[in-house]
Amino acid sequence: DGGITQSPKYLFRKEGQNVTLSCEQNLNHDAMYWYRQDPGQGLRLIYYSQIVNDFQKGDIAEGYSVSREKKESFPLTVTSAQKNPTAFYLCASYGRSNEKLFFGSGTQLSVL
Amino acid sequence: RKEVEQDPGPFNVPEGATVAFNCTYSNSASQSFFWYRQDCRKEPKLLMSVYSSGNEDGRFTAQLNRASQYISLLIRDSKLSDSATYLCAVFSGGYNKLIFGAGTRLAVHP
Repeated sequence: DGGITQSPKYLFRKEGQNVTLSCEQNLNHDAMYWYRQDPGQGLRLIYYSQIVNDFQKGDIAEGYSVSREKKESFPLTVTSAQKNPTAFYLCASYGRSNEKLFFGSGTQLSVL
Repeated sequence: RKEVEQDPGPFNVPEGATVAFNCTYSNSASQSFFWYRQDCRKEPKLLMSVYSSGNEDGRFTAQLNRASQYISLLIRDSKLSDSATYLCAVFSGGYNKLIFGAGTRLAVHP
């Protein structure tokens, strides 16, 4: 079955450490997105990518970095510059042919 | 001003009630609109896309008002299982930047 997979489900970060969240899709979607969700809040856009080797900053890109070396993969790195990284992170991909956005099941990141 | 705004609620309604949510957007060039449902700590699930002519799916009706730049979601005959957060989403900008509202919480009680 086609879908979008995020890993890990839970992740802990030590102070000063960079961590990378994985997002893989086999839906052949060009567009992929990373969102952050804080408790009781909506989804805020971190980065998005429309094609391989291209990505754009969203509304809260500071302290994060991404890459898009393959169509299927859009990993997000939470750097040590992100001082408040504890949140629920959601990856999504979008298919223009059916106009549907598919989400991964999310990664809960916490600081030790 | 936020690009996409929603009333956070909560909306507390009895079973069987009709409830409506609105979502306003600031970019008049926005082309595509969606309603999502999110249960606690889960990923959002697409409820329905919103088309210019309005569309209905069972107890759910979505409408778009381009002149006033808002979309709406109407839920008829509310069920306990409708309790969730409802997020609107709008494609904004030339790079297909997908922006979500903060969500509206709905609590349906017996």
